[in-house]
Amino acid sequence: EVQLVESGGGLVQPGGSLRLSCASSDFLFSGHEMIWVRQAPGQGLEWLSYISTTGNNIHYADSVKGRFIISRDNARNSLYLQMNSLRAEDTAIYYCARAGGYGDFSGGTHYYYYYMDVWGQGTTVTVSS
Amino acid sequence: DIQMTQSPSSLSASVGDRVTITCRASQTISNFLNWYQQKPGKAPKLLIYVASNLQSGVPSRFSGSGSGTDFTLTISSLQPEDSATYYCQHTYSTPPWTFGQGSKVEI
Repeated sequence: EVQLVESGGGLVQPGGSLRLSCASSDFLFSGHEMIWVRQAPGQGLEWLSYISTTGNNIHYADSVKGRFIISRDNARNSLYLQMNSLRAEDTAIYYCARAGGYGDFSGGTHYYYYYMDVWGQGTTVTVSS
Repeated sequence: DIQMTQSPSSLSASVGDRVTITCRASQTISNFLNWYQQKPGKAPKLLIYVASNLQSGVPSRFSGSGSGTDFTLTISSLQPEDSATYYCQHTYSTPPWTFGQGSKVEI
């Protein structure tokens, strides 16, 4: 079964660090871009970070830039999120998701359409003293 | 960054009703727009990709339309199991690929 399983969440004090993991199974992990998304209690979805298939292209939301680091190990079929300098407002459920998609060619331009077609169950991070 | 605005934020409808949720992008995103459904305590689930394509296994009462800046998710005949929060997300150009704030549908 194609799935993603997050781990590593927990209770951490403000200013502390935590490393989340996302283990994939039953699909070619190295062939997919991946993202992290979080959801604060009672709030909506917040896109956090993106990593390309090789890890050479990375993007972050402004809210975590300079504090969080996304990485991947294709040999281990795993995605990671290193979270540093944690704040109370980082308290949330953290999801990893696979970016599925397909390419198209139109009007002389090549496009690639992405959509998040596989999600993990989430791991909860609580930042509190 | 591209901002996504959904409306309404919440709605209440009856079984069998036709329900429409709109999503507006702050700039044109062509058809790089996806819709997700999230039920309480669960991860989001992909419903519609590239504005109008139904994800495998999703009931045909769900449909999506739109292009440019304005998009619509329609549930043609609301069912009890459709009670959930629905999110749009753009994947236009490079990230950030922002989500709308969500639209909660109650039966």
